[in-house]
Amino acid sequence: EAGVAQSPRYKIIEKRQSVAFWCNPISGHATLYWYQQILGQGPKLLIQFQNNGVVDDSQLPKDRFSAERLKGVDSTLKIQPAKLEDSAVYLCASSLDLLSASPSYNEQFFGPGTRLTVL
Amino acid sequence: GDSVTQMEGPVTLSEEAFLTINCTYTATGYPSLFWYVQYPGEGLQLLLKATKADDKGSNKGFEATYRKETTSFHLEKGSVQVSDSAVYFCALSDPYFGNEKLTFGTGTRLTIIP
Repeated sequence: EAGVAQSPRYKIIEKRQSVAFWCNPISGHATLYWYQQILGQGPKLLIQFQNNGVVDDSQLPKDRFSAERLKGVDSTLKIQPAKLEDSAVYLCASSLDLLSASPSYNEQFFGPGTRLTVL
Repeated sequence: GDSVTQMEGPVTLSEEAFLTINCTYTATGYPSLFWYVQYPGEGLQLLLKATKADDKGSNKGFEATYRKETTSFHLEKGSVQVSDSAVYFCALSDPYFGNEKLTFGTGTRLTIIP
């Protein structure tokens, strides 16, 4: 089974430029997450989708960050314009179905991440 | 809000040594607890989990017990190997918020010396 795919793996931009990251979740996974991992810190949730609807975007800096999952499969995270403090690894994760009737936790599977450096 | 506090690293041990990485948490509801591992150049992987008090999660020789009374979920392994070198993250998912998002600790870098 293919895992969560992300691209690009690395990106270097200058501040005030724009950048976009792409994520392809595991086939059949309805729930998709974007996390930001700043060096020396644990990942922090930015936004969570259930199919193509947003479940939680309370930690997303909406003045510069946007994300979409138009067809309920792939997702794109955009930063416009980038700031120095946006330098981080951006992780995408997916899980089967947040709304599943199963009482067990829906394990999140993580992609390799995109390392962004803003100069 | 919810939070996870992890033992600060980095941690360096000799092969076959005993490992403990401490983790404590605060949560609004009754969370599930996890340990994730990140090997060099790879994505986060679930190592083990526990969903209720007194549950013990185990995998690859690692163990952690959900202690509600001390709000802890310490990771242990009796004899570490060089291949265990990685960054370990403690995390929780709080059903109070209804969305299974993960709240992570800061991570502990573990290096095992042959």
